[in-house]
Amino acid sequence: EADIYQTPRYLVIGTGKKITLECSQTMGHDKMYWYQQDPGMELHLIHYSYGVNSTEKGDLSSESTVSRIRTEHFPLTLESARPSHTSQYLCASSEEFRAEAFFGQGTRLTVV
Amino acid sequence: KQEVTQIPAALSVPEGENLVLNCSFTDSAIYNLQWFRQDPGKGLTSLLLIQSSQREQTSGRLNASLDKSSGRSTLYIAASQPGDSATYLCAGVMNSGGYQKVTFGTGTKLQVIP
Repeated sequence: EADIYQTPRYLVIGTGKKITLECSQTMGHDKMYWYQQDPGMELHLIHYSYGVNSTEKGDLSSESTVSRIRTEHFPLTLESARPSHTSQYLCASSEEFRAEAFFGQGTRLTVV
Repeated sequence: KQEVTQIPAALSVPEGENLVLNCSFTDSAIYNLQWFRQDPGKGLTSLLLIQSSQREQTSGRLNASLDKSSGRSTLYIAASQPGDSATYLCAGVMNSGGYQKVTFGTGTKLQVIP
């Protein structure tokens, strides 16, 4: 089945810290996505990538940045975390934008 | 395995018309169903999410319904506008092996003619 991994699963950090959320997939998918989701709420796309060296912002404005140096790796970075960044961050990949998307287990971030 | 089908595959309507997009899913064990919009070359924009316990959600000119027993969801767009032209996708979300598996439908490509 799907092989897409996110680390860490849970993270509690102080305000102002720099953090990187990791996402890796072993399916060779070109398309990767980062979604932000508050409990019980919709997934909101914050970043996506067509492939290596391609990154685009999604429909929800985010202060995070992403990079895509390798096909399998799509890390998300917050340079200076704030309490408003507290949320769940979900990474996904798919062969094509309209194909079935596989999601990682998510990173639940709490900024105190 | 969850399969999600959308009918029609493409739809062209004159501006101002009300329209309905259909979504069918085979596995009723979804815990929510989400409608997205996709513009050419872009990612997905979330439109509405319906929890499995809900029957309906509304946002502006959009209304989505969910009938788990029949495996159907509809997206109603009132007073369509040229800016509504895009591909609309529904997605069933399930728990699968400890992660959230999203199965997207095949999409309906909507064109609203001015």
